[in-house]
Amino acid sequence: GAGVSQSPSNKVTEKGKDVELRCDPISGHTALYWYRQSLGQGLEFLIYFQGNSAPDKSGLPSDRFSAERTGGSVSTLTIQRTQQEDSAVYLCASSPSGGVYEQFFGPGTRLTVL
Amino acid sequence: AQSVAQPEDQVNVAEGNPLTVKCTYSVSGNPYLFWYVQYPNRGLQFLLKYITGDNLVKGSYGFEAEFNKSQTSFHLKKPSALVSDSALYFCAVRAYNTDKLIFGTGTRLQVFP
Repeated sequence: GAGVSQSPSNKVTEKGKDVELRCDPISGHTALYWYRQSLGQGLEFLIYFQGNSAPDKSGLPSDRFSAERTGGSVSTLTIQRTQQEDSAVYLCASSPSGGVYEQFFGPGTRLTVL
Repeated sequence: AQSVAQPEDQVNVAEGNPLTVKCTYSVSGNPYLFWYVQYPNRGLQFLLKYITGDNLVKGSYGFEAEFNKSQTSFHLKKPSALVSDSALYFCAVRAYNTDKLIFGTGTRLQVFP
């Protein structure tokens, strides 16, 4: 079946511009996660959605970052007024629920802020 | 605080030799532990997990991992390495009372012919 998809695969933007990154989770998965992977770094948790519960936003690095999940499916991560330090690969993952289930990752969006 | 440590940035091994990639963790309560692999320019792929039960868990591509509660470790192992195993490996633990994963910084495995 179809896995997690993300778009665009690459995004180059200028400092100060806003960007939107999209994630399509696996159908039926109630949990959706966003992570950031900077060059040479591990994965940094950003935000987590589980069903209709309030999202866990504890990993968002600043108020320039926000995310929404519409209809319990597609999610959009928005970065406002991008900075060069936002350059990274943004990974989305989904799972059937939380807890014991492994997360299935998308291929990521490589964001470059010039 | 809950954390995962992968003490080796890189592990080098000759093809055919056994390999071990180390992982230790600190978490409140019973840990849920995971290993993922990332090939170049690809997303993360799930390898295996420990939830409960047998301390030795087997996963994809011939990998296995041993949960050791007293040493708070979850080392990844494979009896005979392949060049195609060369990739970046991440250990992760589920944080207490949440569903988010805390990842280690990753270990690059290089298998030489």
